[in-house]
Amino acid sequence: GAGVSQTPSNKVTEKGKYVELRCDPISGHTALYWYRQSLGQGPEFLIYFQGTGAADDSGLPNDRFFAVRPEGSVSTLKIQRTERGDSAVYLCASSSGQGIYNEQFFGPGTRLTVL
Amino acid sequence: AQSVAQPEDQVNVAEGNPLTVKCTYSVSGNPYLFWYVQYPNRGLQFLLKYITGDNLVKGSYGFEAEFNKSQTSFHLKKPSALVSDSALYFCAVRDSTGGFKTIFGAGTRLFVKA
Repeated sequence: GAGVSQTPSNKVTEKGKYVELRCDPISGHTALYWYRQSLGQGPEFLIYFQGTGAADDSGLPNDRFFAVRPEGSVSTLKIQRTERGDSAVYLCASSSGQGIYNEQFFGPGTRLTVL
Repeated sequence: AQSVAQPEDQVNVAEGNPLTVKCTYSVSGNPYLFWYVQYPNRGLQFLLKYITGDNLVKGSYGFEAEFNKSQTSFHLKKPSALVSDSALYFCAVRDSTGGFKTIFGAGTRLFVKA
């Protein structure tokens, strides 16, 4: 079956612009995560959805970052007033069930470059 | 607060030799521990996990890891390395008291020489 997909694969924008990054999880996976990975670092947790609700958004760095998952499947990460420091690879992952011990399946990521 | 440390940026090993990639962690509650691998131009892939039970867990591609509670470690091991094992390895931890937040280490690059 299809894995986690993310679009676009690359996004270049200018400082101050608004961007949306999309994640399509594995069909049937109720849990969805967003991470940010900077060069030479491991993924940094941003937000976790269980179904349609954000069960844990403690990793969002500030109020410029927002994510939605209106129908419990596709999710969109939204970044307002982008800054150069937002440049990173944004990863999405999904997993089955809602236990905290389930492994995650990752997408290929969206590379965001803010000029 | 939960944290993960991977003390080695890179590990070099000859093909056929055993390999170890180190990971230590810190949590408030019980740890749920994971290893992921990232091959060039591919997404992170799950290797193995420790939740409870036997301290030695076995995973994909012949990898295993040993949970050591007293040393708060979860080192990844393989008895005989392959050139194709060369990749970036990440250790990750969840705290049983910390919700769904997963903390990843900075990663260790494994280089297996033929």
